[in-house]
Amino acid sequence: GQQVMQIPQYQHVQEGEDFTTYCNSSTTLSNIQWYKQRPGGHPVFLIQLVKSGEVKKQKRLTFQFGEAKKNSSLHITATQTTDVGTYFCAGLRTNAGKSTFGDGTTLTVKP
Amino acid sequence: GAVVSQHPSWVICKSGTSVKIECRSLDFQATTMFWYRQFPKQSLMLMATSNEGSKATYEQGVEKDKFLINHASLTLSTLTVTSAHPEDSSFYICSARDTADYSNQPQHFGDGTRLSIL
Repeated sequence: GQQVMQIPQYQHVQEGEDFTTYCNSSTTLSNIQWYKQRPGGHPVFLIQLVKSGEVKKQKRLTFQFGEAKKNSSLHITATQTTDVGTYFCAGLRTNAGKSTFGDGTTLTVKP
Repeated sequence: GAVVSQHPSWVICKSGTSVKIECRSLDFQATTMFWYRQFPKQSLMLMATSNEGSKATYEQGVEKDKFLINHASLTLSTLTVTSAHPEDSSFYICSARDTADYSNQPQHFGDGTRLSIL
């Protein structure tokens, strides 16, 4: 079946450093979504990428969708303590009724 | 924004008890809802897809008779853990999609239910 691999599993950074998490799919995706789950909370939708090579920005967050629509990345510039949490990607395969979540990357930020 | 309400948020009960969890979309209609299970520091494991007016689609390895799903209306899906045992203890989260056009709609998650079976 479809697999969505996400790396790294954990990332510890000093406040102000950058952070990137990568998502790779074994099959071509119709779209990819990114979610953030704060400790003790539930996943919250961040963004959706649909087009090949698409790049979207939300303040310090930059999301990219690969040309082949098999990989994606989330980059945070100058991390803050409010960025802590687990970031999940979720890929939707064409004609599939459900997205497949990656294992998530848990970010901790040292002040 | 779209809000999904999940109740209860915390359940502690004895082994053998059946527990019902509700998932409601408050300000939109959800033709599709999803039920996930999440173990500590792990990803979301999809258990089943709930479709309004039809039978749920269960993922491989998930017991249909153990985890009963009912999606009776466009705003409510329920998950009943029947005859729960300690190994069923987990964090259960539901999510809902706004329309049947699943290719373009994000999932909106409930707050989750922490189930502890003694």
